[in-house]
Amino acid sequence: DIQMTQSPSSLSASVGDRVTITCRASQGLDNYLAWFQQKPGEAPKSLIYDASSLQSGVPSKFSGSRSGTDFTLTISSLQPEDSATYYCQQYNSYPLTFGGGTKVEIK
Amino acid sequence: EVQLVESGGGLVQPGGSLRLSCAASGFTFSDHYMDWVRQAPGKGLEWVARTRNKAKSYTTEYAASVKGRFTISRDDSKNSLFLQMNSLRTEDTAVYYCARGYVSRGYWTFDYWGQGTPVTVSS
Repeated sequence: DIQMTQSPSSLSASVGDRVTITCRASQGLDNYLAWFQQKPGEAPKSLIYDASSLQSGVPSKFSGSRSGTDFTLTISSLQPEDSATYYCQQYNSYPLTFGGGTKVEIK
Repeated sequence: EVQLVESGGGLVQPGGSLRLSCAASGFTFSDHYMDWVRQAPGKGLEWVARTRNKAKSYTTEYAASVKGRFTISRDDSKNSLFLQMNSLRTEDTAVYYCARGYVSRGYWTFDYWGQGTPVTVSS
């Protein structure tokens, strides 16, 4: 199984800050990595697929990148509505696996 | 507008069974792989099961934690997805989400999710 290690598990940042979340895969998965946003009491929402492609309707302040088995989600300018938990997910092989999540809070 | 509406959750005793349903609308259901993903209280997301589409002979995949106990199925004529859960355990307690498969370069992740249906396994 591919293990996805997400860091940090939580962070607190100010409005306007640039925020970076990292996901490390235990083995190679090409670019088959997605990012999801989940707000309390809501279903997850798809942000990014193929490591760096934005889903339709997702604002461009979200971006993704890959370096080997390390993947990064960046929020360029944090806004109050970005307060949520973010998950990475690999879809290179079964079982499909998620990272443990990063809770982003606004200072 | 894509809509996924789950139903069938509830309280069940350990060892019992439950059947979840997901009604889909707003897209060509038969074209897509479909999944169940769950989230235990206060925990992260865990993929449960997948059914491929007709083109891939409706083949299925399961997480090890549910294999042999859960069965995913679909009825394309009714735009519906199902999860039959048998031999339920307390650790199966979670909100169960139906998710639509999204394909890029032949590999499938998820895009749209339902609001979830809660399942509680307790005596």
